[in-house]
Amino acid sequence: NAGVMQNPRHLVRRRGQEARLRCSPMKGHSHVYWYRQLPEEGLKFMVYLQKENIIDESGMPKERFSAEFPKEGPSILRIQQVVRGDSAAYFCASSQGTGVPYEQYFGPGTRLTVT
Amino acid sequence: AQSVAQPEDQVNVAEGNPLTVKCTYSVSGNPYLFWYVQYPNRGLQFLLKYITGDNLVKGSYGFEAEFNKSQTSFHLKKPSALVSDSALYFCAVRVGPDTGFQKLVFGTGTRLLVSP
Repeated sequence: NAGVMQNPRHLVRRRGQEARLRCSPMKGHSHVYWYRQLPEEGLKFMVYLQKENIIDESGMPKERFSAEFPKEGPSILRIQQVVRGDSAAYFCASSQGTGVPYEQYFGPGTRLTVT
Repeated sequence: AQSVAQPEDQVNVAEGNPLTVKCTYSVSGNPYLFWYVQYPNRGLQFLLKYITGDNLVKGSYGFEAEFNKSQTSFHLKKPSALVSDSALYFCAVRVGPDTGFQKLVFGTGTRLLVSP
């Protein structure tokens, strides 16, 4: 059973470009979470999605960032008009359900560098 | 606010010695606590969790953690450190309703360096 897949693993963008980060959850998982890790910091929650729905986006910056989890295909985290401060590692996690019994399993992350 | 604190940026220990990585929590209600490890340029790997039950939790790679309610702590321990244990360790608490959406709130991380 493959784990959580993220691609690309490394992404370099110039300021003003768009970044698209993809996450394929573990088989059988329909809940996806995105976290951001800024340099020398811990991970911070960004958004939680179920298939075709955003459930909680309390950690998402209000502008330029969006996320989706379509009925078919991976979850996408999209950053428009990137700035240097967006440089970070972005981790996706998935779970089979919500609540106490369900673990979140993390992918290897996408490291975004904005030049 | 629900949070965890890792008071040490770095812990140094010699191989073969016991190690402790500290974590304290501030949670209203039942604390659901986790430890994760991150190796360079890798994702997070789950080590262990405390949900309820025994205060001493055993996890992967020989690690264990002790839940102490009176001290609001959840320190990670290992009796004998290995050089390969050198990595970044994160304590986390899961917040949210027991039957609903829960997110992980992470500490700032502690870098463990095990010297040969």
